[in-house]
Amino acid sequence: EADIYQTPRYLVIGTGKKITLECSQTMGHDKMYWYQQDPGMELHLIHYSYGVNSTEKGDLSSESTVSRIRTEHFPLTLESARPSHTSQYLCASSALGGPGELFFGEGSRLTVL
Amino acid sequence: RKEVEQDPGPFNVPEGATVAFNCTYSNSASQSFFWYRQDCRKEPKLLMSVYSSGNEDGRFTAQLNRASQYISLLIRDSKLSDSATYLCSSYGGSQGNLIFGKGTKLSVKP
Repeated sequence: EADIYQTPRYLVIGTGKKITLECSQTMGHDKMYWYQQDPGMELHLIHYSYGVNSTEKGDLSSESTVSRIRTEHFPLTLESARPSHTSQYLCASSALGGPGELFFGEGSRLTVL
Repeated sequence: RKEVEQDPGPFNVPEGATVAFNCTYSNSASQSFFWYRQDCRKEPKLLMSVYSSGNEDGRFTAQLNRASQYISLLIRDSKLSDSATYLCSSYGGSQGNLIFGKGTKLSVKP
């Protein structure tokens, strides 16, 4: 089993609230990613990081932001949630020097009312 | 053209059947390919890696055709527990990250 954890697993929140989705991994992986996936749709990369203090935007534009202050931690923040942000957010990690396997967390399912 | 394309299915097959999925990719420079399995409302989990011409693991065989830029996944003797969505992925895009197809849904019936 992969050692990558996401919290909360489920979040229902009102419009305009600030939310932070947490992601932690204990595998010592340098690369971490956030994917967004709507039901029945493909995974879209929204953010990634090569290591501490590195953050990059992915292929899909997102209003969310990320930070990477510690190797094991890669939180995603939405300053003001909107219904259009309703989706599943999947965190993943991989060892640097790939290309190699991505290990996924169980996901955070966000619903914005 | 999407970087990674798959037939979304669904593929409805009886138990014991052999089923094959194809996946095409557009980045001719891509060297690594992966099949992931994703159960409903769960995270993707790696099924097989494909680095050269192919890979076999029990009932599952993945093959790579570089000339035609596609990879395939063959499942023999299908089990009910094989019912899931199978995601094809390859490294590509403007940033060289792992790109996923939409997935092919498989439903194995008794």
